[in-house]
Amino acid sequence: GAVVSQHPSRVICKSGTSVKIECRSLDFQATTMFWYRQFPKQSLMLMATSNEGSKATYEQGVEKDKFLINHASLTLSTLTVTSAHPEDSSFYICSATGGISYNEQFFGPGTRLTVL
Amino acid sequence: AQTVTQSQPEMSVQEAETVTLSCTYDTSESDYYLFWYKQPPSRQMILVIRQEAYKQQNATENRFSVNFQKAAKSFSLKISDSQLGDAAMYFCAYRSFYTGANSKLTFGKGITLSVRP
Repeated sequence: GAVVSQHPSRVICKSGTSVKIECRSLDFQATTMFWYRQFPKQSLMLMATSNEGSKATYEQGVEKDKFLINHASLTLSTLTVTSAHPEDSSFYICSATGGISYNEQFFGPGTRLTVL
Repeated sequence: AQTVTQSQPEMSVQEAETVTLSCTYDTSESDYYLFWYKQPPSRQMILVIRQEAYKQQNATENRFSVNFQKAAKSFSLKISDSQLGDAAMYFCAYRSFYTGANSKLTFGKGITLSVRP
């Protein structure tokens, strides 16, 4: 089956620093990638949708300058949390669609971000 | 806009028994996809089952089956012969048919299922 990886799996950073999270499709070309945020015991909240080679589409209420998304290739999308603050601490999940399995989103294992 | 409602926050089932998780949705579209995802403690999202709205037959995957009632906009998941490994958070999700792969998933709030040994 299609595999999506995320790196790092967990990261701790100081307030005010920037953190980059990578999402990779390992065995298929991901034309579209999605970034979600999830708080404990809650549902996934879509942050943005990115298509390879074009600007990401952000959901209402998500700060574009805060959460920078780059989908530079068909196998890699990155989420950069800029000037992180403790309230940005959360679980971030990416998913990808593409190839012959275009009807299904394949999810990465998630990244736990803790901002001190 | 589409909405997905999971009104039960938690459920519990005895091992080897059957449990049904409820989900309702609202949409003005006639064609769409519905999904159930499982999120175990590892937090990896796992697709359990998918239903295409244009198919009248209910989807089944081994011990998992759905009761899809299009007119009632209801999409429940039945887990038969429950196992300890079924303990997880379950999300019902909707996806539009027409916008294809770019279409985002709309998730319900989820339900936490515990399995008693």
